[in-house]
Amino acid sequence: QKEVEQDPGPLSVPEGAIVSLNCTYSNSAFQYFMWYRQYSRKGPELLMYTYSSGNKEDGRFTAQVDKSSKYISLFIRDSQPSDSATYLCAMISRDDKIIFGKGTRLHILP
Amino acid sequence: DTGVSQDPRHKITKRGQNVTFRCDPISEHNRLYWYRQTLGQGPEFLTYFQNEAQLEKSRLLSDRFSAERPKGSFSTLEIQRTEQGDSAMYLCASSFPGNVYEQYFGPGTRLTVT
Repeated sequence: QKEVEQDPGPLSVPEGAIVSLNCTYSNSAFQYFMWYRQYSRKGPELLMYTYSSGNKEDGRFTAQVDKSSKYISLFIRDSQPSDSATYLCAMISRDDKIIFGKGTRLHILP
Repeated sequence: DTGVSQDPRHKITKRGQNVTFRCDPISEHNRLYWYRQTLGQGPEFLTYFQNEAQLEKSRLLSDRFSAERPKGSFSTLEIQRTEQGDSAMYLCASSFPGNVYEQYFGPGTRLTVT
């Protein structure tokens, strides 16, 4: 079992819809959970990071962590065509190394 | 621009040649990381520096790979005797030591080995 599992998609949703992106993980030592957005042929861009279980909101984005289920989510409200990108979940344990998921390709249809 | 920069953005080389990439981190950041990303995969950790000290190397980093950060500022990643399997995007990121969860990435160097 891989340490971090993420459905690669692609996921296509109409503009304005709520998008739900998810990752599961197996290592209970992970402490920090991040979401990155990556446009084609660009480097990843940090969207949000969270430490504890619960929700964290930033504009149209909400990150959710459930440590008991080893499950994290990113919700995007009022999705827009400019949100079309690959979304990578990432996690860090005490050794400070980041483990990334494979990324989910998201297409927002105008 | 105060972000992470990488040079070159794209490199095409023939198998067996040596290549060197450069990364300039955000100036206040002590930590600098190198990752490799292949198509359809997330970035994979290669190595990282705190100031000029190389603190960890992944098992992915074979003997043909070497990284330096001589003055604790920019870093170079060299691949000797390139192989077709080295074709990938090489990403650099930087952070403060206490904020490893807040890494900022450069645009990457795309390597194609023919």
